[in-house]
Amino acid sequence: GESVGLHLPTLSVQEGDNSIINCAYSNSASDYFIWYKQESGKGPQFIIDIRSNMDKRQGQRVTVLLNKTVKHLSLQIAATQPGDSAVYFCAENRVGGFKTIFGAGTRLFVKA
Amino acid sequence: DGGITQSPKYLFRKEGQNVTLSCEQNLNHDAMYWYRQDPGQGLRLIYYSQIVNDFQKGDIAEGYSVSREKKESFPLTVTSAQKNPTAFYLCASSAQVNTEAFFGQGTRLTVV
Repeated sequence: GESVGLHLPTLSVQEGDNSIINCAYSNSASDYFIWYKQESGKGPQFIIDIRSNMDKRQGQRVTVLLNKTVKHLSLQIAATQPGDSAVYFCAENRVGGFKTIFGAGTRLFVKA
Repeated sequence: DGGITQSPKYLFRKEGQNVTLSCEQNLNHDAMYWYRQDPGQGLRLIYYSQIVNDFQKGDIAEGYSVSREKKESFPLTVTSAQKNPTAFYLCASSAQVNTEAFFGQGTRLTVV
């Protein structure tokens, strides 16, 4: 069925290294993708988004890449810091819809 | 400060009792949402509302009810018909379709 899924449930990186979190989606009609960060016991926070007419978007220390050919989304975090430790969700909005579909999340651990 | 507020943060109820979770936003957003999050899982949509006095079922609406009498408020009632109500509940709002959602800090409901 349709889903937004993540390849890895956990990711452990050394402080200062770059992190890459991957996400696959199955609905080629999706036109808007969002990455959220969720710290323990809190609600998700918006990190960055990308629309289907783009293949790359950069923010502060973060970059999202969209490959529509293979329906793959990734979040790159540069110079990962201890404060980046959290669960990261990719989310997908269907065309004209309110139903945002969330993946299961990847937990990022940053080792000092 | 503009934002979205959920209360209470923790809630304990006996099995068979209805309970209402509060969600208020002062962002002037038209759309509001309720999600449920279980441990190690993503967010699943319970109900959403595009505008005042209108709401739609999400993917897991059974055992829940909502109302949207005011633009800034979208309370969720967990009824005794919900078979497994213990979970983390997240409320969100967005300005329009296919824009980022802003989340509250969540309510952790425990039914004993």
